[in-house]
Amino acid sequence: GAVVSQHPSWVICKSGTSVKIECRSLDFQATTMFWYRQFPKQSLMLMATSNEGSKATYEQGVEKDKFLINHASLTLSTLTVTSAHPEDSSFYICSGYPLAGRNYEQYFGPGTRLTVT
Amino acid sequence: ELKVEQNPLFLSMQEGKNYTIYCNYSTTSDRLYWYRQDPGKSLESLFVLLSNGAVKQEGRLMASLDTKARLSTLHITAAVHDLSATYFCAGEYGNKLVFGAGTILRVKS
Repeated sequence: GAVVSQHPSWVICKSGTSVKIECRSLDFQATTMFWYRQFPKQSLMLMATSNEGSKATYEQGVEKDKFLINHASLTLSTLTVTSAHPEDSSFYICSGYPLAGRNYEQYFGPGTRLTVT
Repeated sequence: ELKVEQNPLFLSMQEGKNYTIYCNYSTTSDRLYWYRQDPGKSLESLFVLLSNGAVKQEGRLMASLDTKARLSTLHITAAVHDLSATYFCAGEYGNKLVFGAGTILRVKS
């Protein structure tokens, strides 16, 4: 159990366009979802915390107008990278924190690799 | 602010040898996690350590937590090639995770 999916798994877009990444918790409800970014050979950095029905909380240095997060339901959060640039190319990973009934863990999605050309 | 330091950052091991990865954290952490990441993949949860003195083992991997020393260790016993991956520890405050830099483990035949 505790499965999180992401779609798409990889995407290539042109500079200046926007791309949306979906994160779904498949077998649990997540009041909170997290979005991380990982550059090659680096660690995961938390970008934002997404709470169902409210505005996301962004970490310092993350542009909220560039990385739009929507958490419309207890099983779906989306990250939209607006006006993407090559420096936004990265591996984006989401995680879900269960509402209840699980043991203290975030469950990670498989990641989405974004390449901006 | 919680900070997590991991060392070594790179570890080249011979098959059959033992080694330990260290994870120090700067302030009280609610829980301590260990993850494995294979190239191009997301994170695989290995261990969740909840309290001081916690020790968990799975196969050739054993994790421990000393909250007084703010130290967690991941011990690898008799390494095999399949263990080659990047290993991350992460501390938690509130419900946010702070990751260490990761340890790239390469097991050589």
